[in-house]
Amino acid sequence: DADVTQTPRNRITKTGKRIMLECSQTKGHDRMYWYRQDPGLGLRLIYYSFDVKDINKGEISDGYSVSRQAQAKFSLSLESAIPNQTALYFCATSDLGGQETQYFGPGTRLLVL
Amino acid sequence: QKEVEQNSGPLSVPEGAIASLNCTYSDRGSQSFFWYRQYSGKSPELIMFIYSNGDKEDGRFTAQLNKASQYVSLLIRDSQPSDSATYLCAVNMGNFGNEKLTFGTGTRLTIIP
Repeated sequence: DADVTQTPRNRITKTGKRIMLECSQTKGHDRMYWYRQDPGLGLRLIYYSFDVKDINKGEISDGYSVSRQAQAKFSLSLESAIPNQTALYFCATSDLGGQETQYFGPGTRLLVL
Repeated sequence: QKEVEQNSGPLSVPEGAIASLNCTYSDRGSQSFFWYRQYSGKSPELIMFIYSNGDKEDGRFTAQLNKASQYVSLLIRDSQPSDSATYLCAVNMGNFGNEKLTFGTGTRLTIIP
């Protein structure tokens, strides 16, 4: 089984809808991250969490919220989806003592109509 | 604004030749550096990481750091068609205890058979 899983893998939604993307990991890592990737813009950090009680905004957090339900689970919500949130979303994990080597999930491709 | 910059390419290299990828970074205090490979539509996968204390070789891949000039390079020897992908450079930046990876936008590499 994959160490970092994301659900759903693909999602089409309409403007204004609330959606949730979920991430689970079996690596036992403390740190978890949500990124979005757009063509030509690389990976941009949305939110990150260094442990269950720690949530931090990244560089593009507006329009997003997160929940760290457990060490192994980190969810990303779009409260009211808009078309420019169409992107490829990745969850990643890293070990506190691992010099920030990050391991990525398979990604969720989101289309907002 | 702390940044990581890469030439977006595409970089075309004949099969069997050496591919050279470069990345510059803005934070002089950065201590760890990562190269990820990403196939189209897939998640980034770690190829190599190096610390500020030296270069590293792993099979056909060599990562080199020039701290004075603030750039990191990845050399791929005996390039294979399977090496065709986008290569992301990432640099660990931030204050101690709050370090995060900053990614470049990636260089697209094409190996020509």
